[in-house]
Amino acid sequence: QKEVEQNSGPLSVPEGAIASLNCTYSDRVSQSFFWYRQYSGKSPELIMSIYSNGDKEDGRFTAQLNKASQYVSLLIRDSQPSDSATYLCAPNQAGTALIFGKGTTLSVSS
Amino acid sequence: GAVVSQHPSWVICKSGTSVKIECRSLDFQATTMFWYRQFPKQSLMLMATSNEGSKATYEQGVEKDKFLINHASLTLSTLTVTSAHPEDSSFYICSARTSARFSGELFFGEGSRLTVL
Repeated sequence: QKEVEQNSGPLSVPEGAIASLNCTYSDRVSQSFFWYRQYSGKSPELIMSIYSNGDKEDGRFTAQLNKASQYVSLLIRDSQPSDSATYLCAPNQAGTALIFGKGTTLSVSS
Repeated sequence: GAVVSQHPSWVICKSGTSVKIECRSLDFQATTMFWYRQFPKQSLMLMATSNEGSKATYEQGVEKDKFLINHASLTLSTLTVTSAHPEDSSFYICSARTSARFSGELFFGEGSRLTVL
């Protein structure tokens, strides 16, 4: 069974700083990974997907994947108060449900 | 992107009654939908996988007779919480993926917050 480990936080950063979120997973089958953002009381929304080892950048977000180490991270540059949310990492296998970690709560102070 | 719609967003019911939550895929056909439950300050927990035209697959510890899932069409799955009790109060979220079109991303509905009095 897949297990996903994330530091629950809260991770507190000042506005404009870089927020670094980390995730480790237990299975070696997953080929892609998703980062979701969940605001309090809302359902998750996809912010990044990464399929290959290395970095993937999308605006202020950069996802990093190291399959050998079973590690995936998300960097948020120029953090804004609106980035304050819980970030969920999920390893992905096509056709199956996503299993989520507990998520990391990020708080960006202005 | 794909859109998954849930209804109702909020529901309050008396203990012992049943509540039905609908999940629709609005611009794609979903042969499989997933139902999650989230208690306050906890992560999303997968309850069951809903398969169009066949029985749902439930996760360990989820009572299939209490949480009835019906996936009668390619765009609609329903979750019925039968004989609801206060401990069933939670945030229920459905999701679906269309791997052919959207590279496997899982799209979530808006969620349904159930409060059982």
